[in-house]
Amino acid sequence: DSGVTQTPKHLITATGQRVTLRCSPRSGDLSVYWYQQSLDQGLQFLIHYYNGEERAKGNILERFSAQQFPDLHSELNLSSLELGDSALYFCASSLGGRSTDTQYFGPGTRLTVL
Amino acid sequence: ILNVEQSPQSLHVQEGDSTNFTCSFPSSNFYALHWYRWETAKSPEALFVMTLNGDEKKKGRISATLNTKEGYSYLYIKGSQPEDSATYLCASPDSSYKLIFGSGTRLLVRP
Repeated sequence: DSGVTQTPKHLITATGQRVTLRCSPRSGDLSVYWYQQSLDQGLQFLIHYYNGEERAKGNILERFSAQQFPDLHSELNLSSLELGDSALYFCASSLGGRSTDTQYFGPGTRLTVL
Repeated sequence: ILNVEQSPQSLHVQEGDSTNFTCSFPSSNFYALHWYRWETAKSPEALFVMTLNGDEKKKGRISATLNTKEGYSYLYIKGSQPEDSATYLCASPDSSYKLIFGSGTRLLVRP
């Protein structure tokens, strides 16, 4: 158990809908990262927040947005969902935001868009 | 765009065999190299973070080396066990510190 929690574990929804994925980092960690793993794709970085501020952005679609709240939990919002958004979404946390900080991954949320 | 490559893509070994696989990354603007172990139906688990050329790290039967001048890292598993079966990922941060992951080496250890 990494100490990172994600809810929900599974989510099944329809195209055009909007969903929110939630992540709570390990106690004391200030950074939260979001990753997407689609079928036959590797882990793709989406976005990084450090202490409430956006630090780096990957190839995150405009339909996706995220935020980190004062209590350091983070939410990833996915809207106007398409079939291709079906994937495993991981959140990871680290103590700081340095490139040498170990990132600890949560259990993931499996999103299925029908 | 930073490119992290891993080889081989998959590896089948017999229990007790020692094995190793490679992660290649650009040697310029190097910051760090991360290794993760990812078991099926679980989440990636951090193994090592390596930063210095010549670094060697060890965790039980798993060890890793780093050559930043030529841009590669090796992961070694000594005396593989069935529970070592997993996908091993390496990742390196780009200039904006985003972790770029390789596609992984899938290891299957046969009893």
